[in-house]
Amino acid sequence: EADIYQTPRYLVIGTGKKITLECSQTMGHDKMYWYQQDPGMELHLIHYSYGVNSTEKGDLSSESTVSRIRTEHFPLTLESARPSHTSQYLCASSTTKGAGNEQFFGPGTRLTVL
Amino acid sequence: KNQVEQSPQSLIILEGKNCTLQCNYTVSPFSNLRWYKQDTGRGPVSLTIMTFSENTKSNGRYTATLDADTKQSSLHITASQLSDSASYICVVSDRGSTLGRLYFGRGTQLTVWP
Repeated sequence: EADIYQTPRYLVIGTGKKITLECSQTMGHDKMYWYQQDPGMELHLIHYSYGVNSTEKGDLSSESTVSRIRTEHFPLTLESARPSHTSQYLCASSTTKGAGNEQFFGPGTRLTVL
Repeated sequence: KNQVEQSPQSLIILEGKNCTLQCNYTVSPFSNLRWYKQDTGRGPVSLTIMTFSENTKSNGRYTATLDADTKQSSLHITASQLSDSASYICVVSDRGSTLGRLYFGRGTQLTVWP
């Protein structure tokens, strides 16, 4: 079992609210990622980080923002949630020292915006 | 365009039976291919990893094959169990970027009935 945690696991909020999805890993991994996944669809990379103070946008355009102030912590923030943000958000981490770029995934946060 | 296609989209089998899932990819330059298992409401977990030179790799009742020439992979599950019910995702990594970008298939949703 990978040591990567996400909170909350489920979140139902109203339109316009600001939310932060938490992600933490205790493996000392330098790289971290956020993916968005809709039912029956592939994972889409929305943000990634090479290390502390490094953040990049992924392939899928997202209105969310991320920060990487500490190695173990990679939170994702939505300033004003909309129904179109309803999805599952998966956090992952990897190390450049590992074999084959294996990414370890957290359990995900299921977000519903009403 | 780098893509990963999986078939079938969904599959229902009886407990104890075998099944084979397929994955075709166009990712280049190729680094490795992983099969992930994703239980409902959870993050994906790596089952196997295969590099260019490997043809077959087993992990318990799971056996993956890779044909790098035709860019095809398969995941064979032997003597299925109820706990095998999950989405199986084919993930291909390229070696053309420092990020080690992953390309995800949409998954095969496997349901094992008693």
